[in-house]
Amino acid sequence: AQSVSQHNHHVILSEAASLELGCNYSYGGTVNLFWYVQYPGQHLQLLLKYFSGDPLVKGIKGFEAEFIKSKFSFNLRKPSVQWSDTAEYFCAVNEGRDDKIIFGKGTRLHILP
Amino acid sequence: DAGVTQSPTHLIKTRGQQVTLRCSPKSGHDTVSWYQQALGQGPQFIFQYYEEEERQRGNFPDRFSGHQFPNYSSELNVNALLLGDSALYLCASSWTTSGAEYEQYFGPGTRLTVT
Repeated sequence: AQSVSQHNHHVILSEAASLELGCNYSYGGTVNLFWYVQYPGQHLQLLLKYFSGDPLVKGIKGFEAEFIKSKFSFNLRKPSVQWSDTAEYFCAVNEGRDDKIIFGKGTRLHILP
Repeated sequence: DAGVTQSPTHLIKTRGQQVTLRCSPKSGHDTVSWYQQALGQGPQFIFQYYEEEERQRGNFPDRFSGHQFPNYSSELNVNALLLGDSALYLCASSWTTSGAEYEQYFGPGTRLTVT
């Protein structure tokens, strides 16, 4: 069965620091990969996604993620975080276009002003 | 263009009762998926509806059932509520005939508390 593991449950950074959130998945076949974000009091929204092609994916708000197939990883990065990036981040995977999405447990990111 | 809407926003029920949650998909979407998000956890897939039929199901008991209407809206029903059913229930919609790249759009959720 598929599973998604997020390395950090809670991350605290100061503004302008660089961010990298780890994500590993377990599935040997072709997968689609996602990062979702849930800002305080808001609904879950898509940050970026990887389906095929260039393994370096750029998303909204300056976020990017790199798919490394050999490591089953899809880490999220941002070179300089802002206070407004405080949110919970979920890594997710599915096998196909209409397949269920399997989520990790999430990483709470807290940015100090 | 309205996104995914869910009702009610919050709900408090007693153990053993039954509950119905509702979801209207984003305009143009025909597929609805339901997820349960317990406190401190990521969303877990319950089931997915397409063409008024359950197309996929996650690891949830039969107490969880659903329905999709001709207008693509959907309901999630939970019978014999347990304390452990307390969670945020998320609805997500998508367009099954979209291209290779697609996205599931999530609603704001219904917060269910079972006492």
